[in-house]
Amino acid sequence: DAGVIQSPRHEVTEMGQEVTLRCKPISGHDYLFWYRQTMMRGLELLIYFNNNVPIDDSGMPEDRFSAKMPNASFSTLKIQPSEPRDSAVYFCASSPREETGTHYSNQPQHFGDGTRLSIL
Amino acid sequence: RKEVEQDPGPFNVPEGATVAFNCTYSNSASQSFFWYRQDCRKEPKLLMSVYSSGNEDGRFTAQLNRASQYISLLIRDSKLSDSATYLCVVKPVANTGFQKLVFGTGTRLLVSP
Repeated sequence: DAGVIQSPRHEVTEMGQEVTLRCKPISGHDYLFWYRQTMMRGLELLIYFNNNVPIDDSGMPEDRFSAKMPNASFSTLKIQPSEPRDSAVYFCASSPREETGTHYSNQPQHFGDGTRLSIL
Repeated sequence: RKEVEQDPGPFNVPEGATVAFNCTYSNSASQSFFWYRQDCRKEPKLLMSVYSSGNEDGRFTAQLNRASQYISLLIRDSKLSDSATYLCVVKPVANTGFQKLVFGTGTRLLVSP
């Protein structure tokens, strides 16, 4: 089975450039998440979508970050303009819908391999 | 105070040892708890969910203490392949809808021959 697919695996670019990260979730999953991981702050949720609709973007650091999900099989995270402090590993994850009748999360999130972003 | 706190380690143990990690969470209303494992330069993967009564999966035992708001992971008979970072994960309860998972920064385990 194909897992969550992210591209590129690595990105090195100069500050001020636009960066676009891509994600293809697992087919049939209703939720898609974008995370950022750094040594200092660990894994932080940036934004998540339910059925292609953004639900919570409170983790997006600032207006330079934007995310879209034009259809159920594709999402992008864009940084414009990029800054050195944006250097991190960016993960995309997806999960199925929660089982009905429960108030707790019983579905794991499946992560992609991540994009290692370095802004010089 | 962080929502989820873990000792970063590293915990250095010999093969065959038993090792335990704790994690504390700040939201007393949290309902769902998990341990994820992350290998070096890899993505996080679900290791096990944590249930109120405690649960076991082979050499791994997870326990939840709601009164003290902490979760534990016990690994028995450590293997070299257990070397990884273990992430404590909490889902705050929601009145409606789905809510995000909150990840701890992880505890690093190094198992040596």
